Amino acid sequence: EPEVTQTPSHQVTQMGQEVILRCVPISNHLYFYWYRQILGQKVEFLVSFYNNEISEKSEIFDDQFSVERPDGSNFTLKIRSTKLEDSAMYFCASKRAEGGNTIYFGEGSWLTVV
Amino acid sequence: DAKTTQPPSMDCAEGRAANLPCNHSTISGNEYVYWYRQIHSQGPQYIIHGLKNNETNEMASLIITEDRKSSTLILPHATLRDTAVYYCIVRAGNTGKLIFGQGTTLQVKP
Repeated sequence: EPEVTQTPSHQVTQMGQEVILRCVPISNHLYFYWYRQILGQKVEFLVSFYNNEISEKSEIFDDQFSVERPDGSNFTLKIRSTKLEDSAMYFCASKRAEGGNTIYFGEGSWLTVV
Repeated sequence: DAKTTQPPSMDCAEGRAANLPCNHSTISGNEYVYWYRQIHSQGPQYIIHGLKNNETNEMASLIITEDRKSSTLILPHATLRDTAVYYCIVRAGNTGKLIFGQGTTLQVKP
């Protein structure tokens, strides 16, 4: 069964450093998402991406965050200058097309900012 | 998207059916009911979804009331591996994102 894959599974970074989290969505999917989950809290929507542009973003997704689809397979989340409060699990997700299609999630990348 | 209300926690005996309720009284006609679960801190896992008819797949059954204001997810023979947080989410067919609430923590006990 096709799945969303994410790397790295865990990253520790110094505060102020840039971090790039990588995702390979399911191959025929066209809509891509990033979510995050701070330890003990809800899963929160960050951003959705379609047709090489951001289609929606939450208020969490400020200027420190950016997303990119650099080639036909990868989808990345960049945090420009990490803060302690960016420590969280980051989930990538993808969906095939418009309408009531199912969104599938990856296993997550755990980011620890020290 | 319509809000949903779920009990914060439930217990179920191993081998028995787990029935997880969800209220979505403000659901509108084009909104689907989706169920996901999250085992420990893994990625949310899709279980099932429906619009107005009852649905069944290899994981679970979804029963939606006729007025669509509530639904029940049924795991027919719960195992210890079904211990997880279960999320009921209402989403319009033409929108992308899922909005997660707190969900129901299901504890399956031996």
